[in-house]
Parts: sequence; structure tokens; C-alpha cells
Amino acid sequence: GENVEQHPSTLSVQEGDSAVIKCTYSDSASNYFPWYKQELGKRPQLIIDIRSNVGEKKDQRIAVTLNKTAKHFSLHITETQPEDSAVYFCAASWDSGGGADGLTFGKGTHLIIQP
Amino acid sequence: NAGVTQTPKFRVLKTGQSMTLLCAQDMNHEYMYWYRQDPGMGLRLIHYSVGEGTTAKGEVPDGYNVSRLKKQNFLLGLESAAPSQTSVYFCASSYVGQEAFFGQGTRLTVV
Repeated sequence: GENVEQHPSTLSVQEGDSAVIKCTYSDSASNYFPWYKQELGKRPQLIIDIRSNVGEKKDQRIAVTLNKTAKHFSLHITETQPEDSAVYFCAASWDSGGGADGLTFGKGTHLIIQP
Repeated sequence: NAGVTQTPKFRVLKTGQSMTLLCAQDMNHEYMYWYRQDPGMGLRLIHYSVGEGTTAKGEVPDGYNVSRLKKQNFLLGLESAAPSQTSVYFCASSYVGQEAFFGQGTRLTVV
């Protein structure tokens, strides 16, 4: 099955600086790569996702890049703010119209924004 | 529009007891999933369903059973709870290859 590795496990950055979280996956059939943000005691919520036919996607201060050849994808957060402090999870899955697997998650990155 | 709702939110069980967690979604999603979340382990897939009447095993299915008798509901059962099943359980639903929406979670403690 799919295996997703995520690094780093903890990331501390100064407010206003950029943060980058990286993930690698093992199954070349995976074609959907979402990123979730989870605040303490809350449910995971999607912040951005990317599909295998796209190399980069941006939404305001958040961007995701995908390198299918190397099987890795990254989350970039610019101009970090205190409300960005949370645990971030990457995930991978495949779908083929007639069926789909569940999302396989990385172990998470605890992002700490220092004032 | 409630999204994904889990029942109960908290539960304490004694070793060997059984219980059922209920997940209900009102978005007409085909796909439903049960995950468990443990510190440092991320979210691990227990079982999932790609449609009414279907279920499949995920990464950590042992000790759990599921049923999807109605499209909107996905039940997770623990027949004989063990301390190793102490965890936070999340249900999620989605269309194929689309965003998964999560429930608020169930915090289960087995003593």
C-alpha cells in the first residue's frame, strides 16, 4: 500500500517568515494530494490540494508543489501569522473512477509561529 | 446542513466491553472512512466504504468491524474493547477524488 513520509515533525518560524513542509509518497498510482490543517482539539480541515496533472497550485499565502517523477510534494506558507500555528498533515490517494482508496496521511508537522 | 456528525463525542469503556460509533453525513457522498488518530502517528485508516452495502479494510482494521447499510451512515464497531484502542476516532466522507470532510471526532478511552 501507499506510504507517506512527512518532514519535519516540528517547525518553528518567526512571524512573517516562510514555512515549508515536505512529503514523499511511495505509490506511483497516487494522483490526489491534499493538505489538512488541524488546530488543537479540532477536526482536520482541507487547506489546499493538488492533482497529478498539475505541478503547482497557489491560494493567497499558501502554495503546494508536486514533483511526480521524484514522488514528493511540498506545502509553502508565506508571511506566516500566529493563526497559522497548528498541525499540518499531507496525504495521498488514488482514484480511478470505478473505485478509490482512502487517504494515506503523513504523521504531521507541528508548526509553531514565534511572535 | 450539518456535514459529518459523529456520535458520541466522548466515551469511556472497560476492557472487553463493546460499543458502536455512528457517523452520519448529509452531503450525499459515496465514500466514507474511519480513521484513528494517536499522538505522533497521524491519521490511520481503519476501514472505508465506496458505497452503500460495501466495506473494505484499511491500514489498521484488526479489532474493528463496520457496516454501511444506508448511504448516509457508516458504523464502526468494537466487539471487545482493549486499552490499545484508546484513541481519537474521526469519520470522513467525500466524493471520489475530492475533498474529504471530517466529523468532530470521538475521544474513546478504554480502561
